[in-house]
Amino acid sequence: QSVLTQPPSVSAAPGQKVTISCSGGSSNIGNNYVSWYQQLPGTAPKLLIYDNNKRPSGIPDRFSGSKSGTSATLGITGLQTGDEADYYCGTWDSSLSALFGGGTKLTVL
Amino acid sequence: EVQLVQSGAGVKKPGESLKISCKSSGYSLTSYWIGWVRQMPGKGLEWMGIIYPGDSDTRYSPSFQGQVTISADKSISIVYLQWSSLKASDTAMYYCARWSGGPPSSGWGNFDYWGQGTLVTVSS
Repeated sequence: QSVLTQPPSVSAAPGQKVTISCSGGSSNIGNNYVSWYQQLPGTAPKLLIYDNNKRPSGIPDRFSGSKSGTSATLGITGLQTGDEADYYCGTWDSSLSALFGGGTKLTVL
Repeated sequence: EVQLVQSGAGVKKPGESLKISCKSSGYSLTSYWIGWVRQMPGKGLEWMGIIYPGDSDTRYSPSFQGQVTISADKSISIVYLQWSSLKASDTAMYYCARWSGGPPSSGWGNFDYWGQGTLVTVSS
């Protein structure tokens, strides 16, 4: 069981918006930056959001990130079937370990 | 172009040793940390450890300390992950990934480039 808690699954219709939460504590999210990763089926994870809310080059602005206290949120607007994937939050912990959330499977109905 | 290319899939028996590799190109290996991440079948991502090839400073997750060894040969831009005695429970996909940002303990950074993964199967 991961220290960072994510919902196992979320779903929404094409064109709609979805949010994925990531809940941690003061030793991790509360005092460190959060990143988000997208893992399409059968592929390696890809960086989606870094430093809580920044997008790497090439990531569309449909993807957004935010952080408040010990929680972070990934938002995806204008859902497309190609967004179906597993999404993971990540951060560092004061125990000197990198952490990942348990992952959230996004289904675009 | 930054690339991390991992060695191919392997099938081993319990008790055997294994060393998999991650070759970096398109940037200076000695300027970034490289981490290893495990993904067991149907499961999430688990951080195993991280190395700074510039001076081989290595940090391990408590869950993997003593179970694996991470090393680097900066002369050929390769980082390794090795086991001395595999178990069936080591069956998983293993990814290397570049850490971009401050030193890992600073809390500032992310894994910005990932290898394609190496599938390790341990079965008798």
